[in-house]
Parts: sequence; structure tokens; C-alpha cells
Amino acid sequence: TQLLEQSPQFLSIQEGENLTVYCNSSSVFSSLQWYRQEPGEGPVLLVTVVTGGEVKKLKRLTFQFGDARKDSSLHITAAQPGDTGLYLCAGAREYGNKLVFGAGTILRVKS
Amino acid sequence: KAGVTQTPRYLIKTRGQQVTLSCSPISGHRSVSWYQQTPGQGLQFLFEYFSETQRNKGNFPGRFSGRQFSNSRSEMNVSTLELGDSALYLCASRELGTDTQYFGPGTRLTVL
Repeated sequence: TQLLEQSPQFLSIQEGENLTVYCNSSSVFSSLQWYRQEPGEGPVLLVTVVTGGEVKKLKRLTFQFGDARKDSSLHITAAQPGDTGLYLCAGAREYGNKLVFGAGTILRVKS
Repeated sequence: KAGVTQTPRYLIKTRGQQVTLSCSPISGHRSVSWYQQTPGQGLQFLFEYFSETQRNKGNFPGRFSGRQFSNSRSEMNVSTLELGDSALYLCASRELGTDTQYFGPGTRLTVL
């Protein structure tokens, strides 16, 4: 059983479209991170959210942490081919505990 | 600051051999974690070290082991390699007092 359910698994969209990736759990997390990974490379940190209800923006990317700290979403506005990659969410259930990863969302943005 | 570095980047071994992978964390980061990533299983946690002691461990057989040195650099060892050990092995470091992990580029291990 995946502790962090990430959806959708795959997403293929046209350049300029908007999209949202979801990360859900029945567990509470002390913090949640989003990463983007390209083939053959390590995940690159996009953002860390720690406060319930927190919203963070990174250019065209908007990250939200649920009020109860059990879920998170990543919204991309006007997707570009450079956004193509594997998006991973990861949560820490308690401070200092190991990170739990979602299965990932493979995003392909076609020009 | 320089990021997390891992060596080697690519490795080809045969079944039954052993392998040692190396990781240098970001300067000042004392915690180092190791992960295995495969297409079928995703990212799976192997273990975490800080202060030269293993603090957390995932569900991997004893063939997978690690250690950390006084300068926080870490090594991971896999003995008696199996075909299923082919994967991208990722190292991540974090500052104590935070949860955010920063990943290295990984070592691609292929077992023939």
C-alpha cells in the first residue's frame, strides 16, 4: 500500500495547457516536498511546504499543502515542453523520519 | 555551495560481484540517505546515516550496507549482486533540523 497516493500517473498535454498533480494520504505529514526528475538524473527540489493551508508559487508552478497536512497539489499554468519530466511528492511523517515518496507523475508537454 | 556528488555515475558489474558507491553531501549537511530507484518500484529508501551511525533502515536484505565517515561522506556497498539490483542509486543529504533532502545525480548500476 502506497502511503502517498500520487495522481495521475501519466499526463500528456499540449503546450499552453494547465494541469494539476495530486498527492494524497490518510496520514499527517510534518512537511512535504515536490521534486522534478529528468531521465538518468537525481530529483531536483522544487519546494518544501510545512504549514497546513500553505500556498507557494514558483513562476508558473503553484504548490498547496492541505489544511490538515494530509494532501498537496502542484498546479502548472501554461505548461511548456521544458516542464516535461517526472514529478515526485515526498512527505516526512515526523521530523527527522525517513521521507515517503509517491509513485510519481510522468508529464509530457508537446509543442 | 556545491551540491551532492556521487561517484561513479555509471557502473557495470556481473552477478555475484560486489560494488561500492560513494556520496559526498552538501557542505554542512550531516545526514545522508540512500535510495534505490527502479521503473517498477519507484524510489525506495535504503538507509540514513548521521554522526556515523545508521539511524533509519528500509526493507532491503543484508547484502545492502552502508557507512558514514567523520566528514559526513558516505559509502554504500552491495554484495553478491543479483540482476534485480540493477537500478539508479541515489544519495541525498539534509541539514539536521530540517526534512528537506537534496539529491545527487545518482549512480546507474547495471548487473549482467
